[in-house]
Amino acid sequence: IMLTQSPTTLSVTPGESISLSCRASQSISTNLHWYQQKPNESPRVLIKYASQSISGIPSRFSGSGSGTDFTLNINRVEPEDFSVYYCQQSNSWPRTFGGGTKLELK
Amino acid sequence: EVQLVESGGGLVQPGRSLKLSCAASGFTFSSFPMAWVRQAPKKGLEWVASISSGGGGTYYPDSVKGRFTISRHNPKSTLYLQMDRLRSEDTASYYCARHAVGAGYFDYWGQGVMVTVSS
Repeated sequence: IMLTQSPTTLSVTPGESISLSCRASQSISTNLHWYQQKPNESPRVLIKYASQSISGIPSRFSGSGSGTDFTLNINRVEPEDFSVYYCQQSNSWPRTFGGGTKLELK
Repeated sequence: EVQLVESGGGLVQPGRSLKLSCAASGFTFSSFPMAWVRQAPKKGLEWVASISSGGGGTYYPDSVKGRFTISRHNPKSTLYLQMDRLRSEDTASYYCARHAVGAGYFDYWGQGVMVTVSS
């Protein structure tokens, strides 16, 4: 299953609210997870199963979608949110990741 | 505190072998499936292998199937990745990751270890 993330890069100003997209090549129900990776750090999970929150993750991060179209929302971007975001599917083997969206400072 | 510490990386010639280790602590290792995920320089994440909690089930993408072997030693709380017939495209940082119990996502990650395949 291929995951296509868009846009590849998004330039924003702190305080803006944004949406990142992840599209699957076939239906994956809600077996879709989102990660954040800051420079020189390991990834960390933000959202599980499309829309379920993860303990310790700020509430400004939310997810939605099912089937083939998924969205990660960040409500009022903070300076520490400038990172790369990846989606990952667990509907079937092999597990796959999207190519990532880089969120950068405008 | 959950900790995953990888070791064993380095420079290796194409066609040779290398074995990575991941020492786990802070949780009951034998209860969790585990995985390896890699990231080539300046590239995205690629899942490499997963293993069930007891070690009886293993999974690989086609890109490494037949060349890489994931294994675990539960009494030592250690995960391994044996990499044979290495290619230049295997050059990457390799992360050890824990599968969330009964779930398809990775809830804890190590800091990663670099593997460079070059002559």
